Amino acid sequence: EPEVTQTPSHQVTQMGQEVILRCVPISNHLYFYWYRQILGQKVEFLVSFYNNEISEKSEIFDDQFSVERPDGSNFTLKIRSTKLEDSAMYFCASSGVSDTQYFGPGTRLTVL
Amino acid sequence: QQQVKQSPQSLIVQKGGISIINCAYENTAFDYFPWYQQFPGKGPALLIAIRPDVSEKKEGRFTISFNKSAKQFSLHIMDSQPGDSATYFCAWSDTGRRALTFGSGTRLQVQP
Repeated sequence: EPEVTQTPSHQVTQMGQEVILRCVPISNHLYFYWYRQILGQKVEFLVSFYNNEISEKSEIFDDQFSVERPDGSNFTLKIRSTKLEDSAMYFCASSGVSDTQYFGPGTRLTVL
Repeated sequence: QQQVKQSPQSLIVQKGGISIINCAYENTAFDYFPWYQQFPGKGPALLIAIRPDVSEKKEGRFTISFNKSAKQFSLHIMDSQPGDSATYFCAWSDTGRRALTFGSGTRLQVQP
C-alpha cells in the first residue's frame, strides 16, 4: 500500500539554525500538507500546497517557514531560523482528488 | 477561530465494551468530519469520515453518528479491543477548504 515517507525521523538543531524536513508524498496525489504536533498536544495545520503554490496557510506559518516541491517526488518544509518553540513532531500529509489525507510517520524536531 | 470541543479527554473501557467519543462544533460551514487514530510515535491515520448530509456511517466496529441540529458528532467503537488503545482525534474542514483542524484528542485505554 502506498504511504507517505518522511526524513529524517529525528532532527536535532541549535536555535537559530536552518532545518529542512523532507517528505515523499504518495505518488499520484495532488495536494500536500504540513502539520505539527507539540508533545502531548493536538495536531495543528501549517500549510497546504497545490499546483506548485501555497493554497492555504495558518497563522503559525510565518516568514520563517517555507515549502517547496523541488522535483516530482519530494516536498520540503524549511524553517529558516529555528526557535525553541519550534520543537515538535512535523507531519507531512498528501491527498488525491478525495478529501482523505494520508499522514507520514513524522519528523521529531528538537531545537536546543 | 472556530472551535470544536472534544470529550472526554481520556477514557478507560473494558475489553468488549463500547467506547464513545464526542465532538461538539459551532461552525455550520464545516462540511467534512474525519476521525483519526494515533498510536504513540506514529502519524495520525484516518479511521472513518462523514459529511453532514449523512446521519450515520459504519465501518466494521467503528461508527460515526452525526447530529446536525445539536451540532455534535460522535465516534462509537463497538467491542473495544486492547489494540484500539490509542489517541483519537476528531477533525473538520470548512466548506471549500482542505486544511484540517483537529480536536484536542481523547486517549483511549482498553483494559483486557
